[in-house]
Order: sequence, then structure tokens, then C-alpha cells
Amino acid sequence: DVKVTQSSRYLVKRTGEKVFLECVQDMDHENMFWYRQDPGLGLRLIYFSYDVKMKEKGDIPEGYSVSREKKERFSLILESASTNQTSMYLCASPPPGQGAQEQYFGPGTRLTVT
Amino acid sequence: GQQLNQSPQSMFIQEGEDVSMNCTSSSIFNTWLWYKQDPGEGPVLLIALYKAGELTSNGRLTAQFGITRKDSFLNISASIPSDVGIYFCAGQLWNQGGKLIFGQGTELSVKP
Repeated sequence: DVKVTQSSRYLVKRTGEKVFLECVQDMDHENMFWYRQDPGLGLRLIYFSYDVKMKEKGDIPEGYSVSREKKERFSLILESASTNQTSMYLCASPPPGQGAQEQYFGPGTRLTVT
Repeated sequence: GQQLNQSPQSMFIQEGEDVSMNCTSSSIFNTWLWYKQDPGEGPVLLIALYKAGELTSNGRLTAQFGITRKDSFLNISASIPSDVGIYFCAGQLWNQGGKLIFGQGTELSVKP
């Protein structure tokens, strides 16, 4: 079974802090994604990566950056956390191939910025 | 950008009832997916649809890929308490490396 793990289930940070959210997958997948989930808005794509050191902006990249130094690890960085970044953050990794439909999700990190 | 409209936003039903939810899009998709998210967990894939008109079942769940490729529905028959959760539709284009566009979610509550 594919495993996608996220470093923390719950985080509380202060406004202005630098925040790192880590995601690790154990199946040697090339593609990895970061979403944020908010009530009534569904999941929105922040950034994604097709390979090591490659990154692409999603639909809402403002206020975020990412790092992919190793294939198994995809980090989401909040350079200066703000209260409107309080959300559930989900990492996902699909297997290779056309469509890559079975996007495996991690359990999520619920971030609160005070 | 592409958007999906999912309805209803929430449902509160009695155990044993059937449930129906749907998604519509302003754009066409190559694949439609339905996910369920249990509280405190990430979404889990329920059904994937690959062809316009396709009707697929997974136990008590049935989903269809609309003929226009701009919509999909999910039905749950004879609901049980463990069906509680948030259901998401998602559309995908094959040339975008796995990128998904999600609906807003339907929160389902089942009263025993």
C-alpha cells in the first residue's frame, strides 16, 4: 500500500512565523501535490512537483513556497504565516502513468495561525 | 480557471435512505473521480470514471460520467451510519499530470 505521511497532524503557529509542512511518500512517485481544504471551498491546489527540484504553481500559490530536494519529500513553506492561512493542508501523490487517477492523500495537517 | 459546482453542500438523512449528489463544470474533463473524507483523515478514492456515459458501481455506490463530460453524479443506496463524511467530486485532464479540480464537497450526516 502506498503511504503518504505528513509530519504533523496539528500545528499552532503565531503570525509572522516561518512554517514548514513536510510530506513524505514511500513509493518512488514523481508527482506530489499540496492542497489546502477550507469549508465550502473544497480542496484547492497550492503547488505541485513533477520531479526533484521541479515545482509548479497551482491555483493559490500566494504566500507559499515549496521545496523538493529528494524524490520522496515535498515541503510546503509559509514564509510568514498569516491568520488567513489557518486551514487543513493535504499532501497527495499519484502513481505514474496516464491519468494518475488514484491520488493518494496524507492524513492532513490542521494548521492554526494565531 | 476551471471550477466545479457540487451540490448539495450538506445532507442530513435517515439511515436506510438513498442519497444523490452531483457536480457540474463549465469545462470538460477526461476523468471524473469521487472521494470520501472521514473526519480527521485525507480523502480516499471511491470511484473513478473514464468515459462519457460510463456508469460504475462500487458496492452501494453508483456514479456516472455525464455525456457532455461536464457533469457527474454519485448515488449511495440504503445509507448506513458509516457513510457519514464529506464527499468530493474531482475532475481531471490527462495532459496535466494528475492535477485535480475539486468540488466544494457534500457533507453527509446519517441519523441511525
